Amino acid sequence: GQNIDQPTEMTATEGAIVQINCTYQTSGFNGLFWYQQHAGEAPTFLSYNVLDGLEEKGRFSSFLSRSKGYSYLLLKELQMKDSASYLCAVADSNYQLIWGAGTKLIIKP
Amino acid sequence: IAGITQAPTSQILAAGRRMTLRCTQDMRHNAMYWYRQDLGLGLRLIHYSNTAGTTGKGEVPDGYSVSRANTDDFPLTLASAVPSQTSVYFCASSEGQGSSNEQFFGPGTRLTVL
Repeated sequence: GQNIDQPTEMTATEGAIVQINCTYQTSGFNGLFWYQQHAGEAPTFLSYNVLDGLEEKGRFSSFLSRSKGYSYLLLKELQMKDSASYLCAVADSNYQLIWGAGTKLIIKP
Repeated sequence: IAGITQAPTSQILAAGRRMTLRCTQDMRHNAMYWYRQDLGLGLRLIHYSNTAGTTGKGEVPDGYSVSRANTDDFPLTLASAVPSQTSVYFCASSEGQGSSNEQFFGPGTRLTVL
């Protein structure tokens, strides 16, 4: 079967760095996405990785290792507005997105 | 209109009633999707459409139907609602089905079936 695993909840301090991990087992792989979802709102796109390595975009970076079925999202200089759920999704062999349940990130002052 | 709109924002529905959730996008995207999001679960694909005139079944299609008469609109119909269809429903679109195409989401419809 297809499976995306990520921690249910994480807590971090304002100004710090946090890493949210995602492991996956899917039928085929055509890229991995990270989305941010604030409570009561729609998911919004953060990053896309299809090749191994690190993609940096401002305070956010995303890493992929296809051989390990592993990705992480790194958030630096945390701000209170970063409190949200972070969703990992993998495009399978049919290019359909398989979604993890999301990681709720709580930022404390 | 900017992006994707969904209607209604929320709805309480009696079991057995028919309901259509509306979704409209103005980005001229080819592909559209319907997901449901339940607490503790990831987004689950109900139905999708790769282009106007075509539709396909996702992971959880039973009890739902869709149509794609034109590029902009992608309504989702519950023929006879049941309590297990209580959920938040998101419509999304992307330029195509290619791997790098990010999906843009509507604001969601919160549906409660009693």
